[in-house]
Amino acid sequence: QKEVEQNSGPLSVPEGAIASLNCTYSDRGSQSFFWYRQYSGKSPELIMFIYSNGDKEDGRFTAQLNKASQYVSLLIRDSQPSDSATYLCAVNGNGNQFYFGTGTSLTVIP
Amino acid sequence: GAGVSQSPRYKVAKRGQDVALRCDPISGHVSLFWYQQALGQGPEFLTYFQNEAQLDKSGLPSDRFFAERPEGSVSTLKIQRTQQEDSAVYLCASSLEPGQGYEQYFGPGTRLTVT
Repeated sequence: QKEVEQNSGPLSVPEGAIASLNCTYSDRGSQSFFWYRQYSGKSPELIMFIYSNGDKEDGRFTAQLNKASQYVSLLIRDSQPSDSATYLCAVNGNGNQFYFGTGTSLTVIP
Repeated sequence: GAGVSQSPRYKVAKRGQDVALRCDPISGHVSLFWYQQALGQGPEFLTYFQNEAQLDKSGLPSDRFFAERPEGSVSTLKIQRTQQEDSAVYLCASSLEPGQGYEQYFGPGTRLTVT
């Protein structure tokens, strides 16, 4: 079982819709959770991080964490074509390495 | 301010050659990480430095891989006797805080192709 699982997609949403990206993790002791965006041929860019159960909002982005279900998600409201990219979930256990998922490819259709 | 920089951006090596990849982290960042990213995959951890100390090298795939950060800033990842399976993008990331639990900022990567 991989440390971090993501649906590889592709996920397609129309412009203006809400995109929902999901991630599960296996280490129940994980403490820190991150979402990165990666455009094709570019390096990962940090979008959000969350440490506590619940929701964390930043502009059009909301990260949601449920430690009991070992689940973290990213919602993108009012999706724009420029949001089209691969979204990587990363999880860090207590003092352990970052583990990245394989990423979900998102396409926002104008 | 300046972000993480890496050089070279692209490297083609013949099988068996040695390569050295450089990373310049964000100034003042204590932690530095190296990752390997194969096509269509997420980054895979290679090694972690806190200042000049290499605290975790458990992700290095073989003893052909070696990393150093002698003065606690610039880091070099060296791959000896390159093999075709070493072809990947090598990413460097840095973080302000010590430890591996904080947000990391990535450089542009070095794309290594072994022929």
